[in-house]
Amino acid sequence: DTAVSQTPKYLVTQMGNDKSIKCEQNLGHDTMYWYKQDSKKFLKIMFSYNNKELIINETVPNRFSPKSPDKAHLNLHINSLELGDSAVYFCASSALSGGQETQYFGPGTRLLVL
Amino acid sequence: QQQVKQSPQSLIVQKGGISIINCAYENTAFDYFPWYQQFPGKGPALLIAIRPDVSEKKEGRFTISFNKSAKQFSLHIMDSQPGDSATYFCAASIGSGGGADGLTFGKGTHLIIQP
Repeated sequence: DTAVSQTPKYLVTQMGNDKSIKCEQNLGHDTMYWYKQDSKKFLKIMFSYNNKELIINETVPNRFSPKSPDKAHLNLHINSLELGDSAVYFCASSALSGGQETQYFGPGTRLLVL
Repeated sequence: QQQVKQSPQSLIVQKGGISIINCAYENTAFDYFPWYQQFPGKGPALLIAIRPDVSEKKEGRFTISFNKSAKQFSLHIMDSQPGDSATYFCAASIGSGGGADGLTFGKGTHLIIQP
């Protein structure tokens, strides 16, 4: 009955590798997001996406790319991983209800680049 | 540019006391102000939210106070309990809270409630 799920929960990899993080939501939401939480717990949006439009935060390197095979999934692909990419990555989804669009977050993927 | 400034960074409160976390924003276009609670190893979860057309919103022990002219809002936790120990994030957005820009978060407050 998990609302927003992410895999893997932990990811340890070498610098220069390419990796993907998967996200799935079973809430029927139209919009999905990726956030990055750094070591100081600062949360920053990377992407927002619905089935029509991808909005990219201009500070996100183009090594990061979201891929949405369908409305319930938004995967994050990262090429040429760097040490600074180490962080916790959260997927979220939202839908408009009662005049507000509550975002539901997944449990996070802890990425460590060595 | 940090558009939402949150303080304090950490806070220790005795059980039964009042926890107060403050946030200030810069972008006057923001019109949706949620607070998220995050436990260790978990994703943030919406706690309570307010729009600028009201000055206060209360849900159980949690109250948001909003001062539009000062561009400030705060979270008050009454009768704080050890189970409230978590990291709290204020956030702001334009419109309904989702969409293109997502949420702009404060840097978080690590709250510890001592038994």
